[in-house]
Amino acid sequence: QKEVEQNSGPLSVPEGAIASLNCTYSDRGSQSFFWYRQYSGKSPELIMFIYSNGDKEDGRFTAQLNKASQYVSLLIRDSQPSDSATYLCAVKQSGGSYIPTFGRGTSLIVHP
Amino acid sequence: GAGVSQSPRYKVAKRGQDVALRCDPISGHVSLFWYQQALGQGPEFLTYFQNEAQLDKSGLPSDRFFAERPEGSVSTLKIQRTQQEDSAVYLCASSFAGGALQETQYFGPGTRLLVL
Repeated sequence: QKEVEQNSGPLSVPEGAIASLNCTYSDRGSQSFFWYRQYSGKSPELIMFIYSNGDKEDGRFTAQLNKASQYVSLLIRDSQPSDSATYLCAVKQSGGSYIPTFGRGTSLIVHP
Repeated sequence: GAGVSQSPRYKVAKRGQDVALRCDPISGHVSLFWYQQALGQGPEFLTYFQNEAQLDKSGLPSDRFFAERPEGSVSTLKIQRTQQEDSAVYLCASSFAGGALQETQYFGPGTRLLVL
């Protein structure tokens, strides 16, 4: 069974700090990885995707992928209270399955 | 509209009642997905359409769940004889083609179903 694991949190960080969110996955055939942000009562919205080993930066967000260790992380620099949300990791496998598997999400709280 | 829309946004049903949830994807998007999201959990896959073809329905929890997309655009998820365990948010997502690994999905606002 394909599994995507995330610590449910909450992860609490002070404003201005770096928030580090982690995700591990079980299927070595996984090829692409997505981070979604979901505010309470709202639908998920895409932050970033990554499919090559290493880092990918977009503004205050950096996704890091290590396929050998089967983990993907999301770093949020200069965290703001508006970043407080649940962050969902989603993983897609190759081989014809275009359906992502989601983790349960990590709740992030950025306090002033 | 520019995004994925869903209706109704909220639905309260009595146990045993049938419900129908509608999804209107982004215009031109070939792929459409339905997910079920329980409180505190991530979205769980239910079913996937490419145009009008239902290519995967492995996530439907029982034969009480049925989905269709007859003209390749709007989709309806129907739940017959609702049970309390069906209470969840039902999310619809669409993507342009669905065939690329890096292709992203765009989610609708969801329908929050409460079965009493």
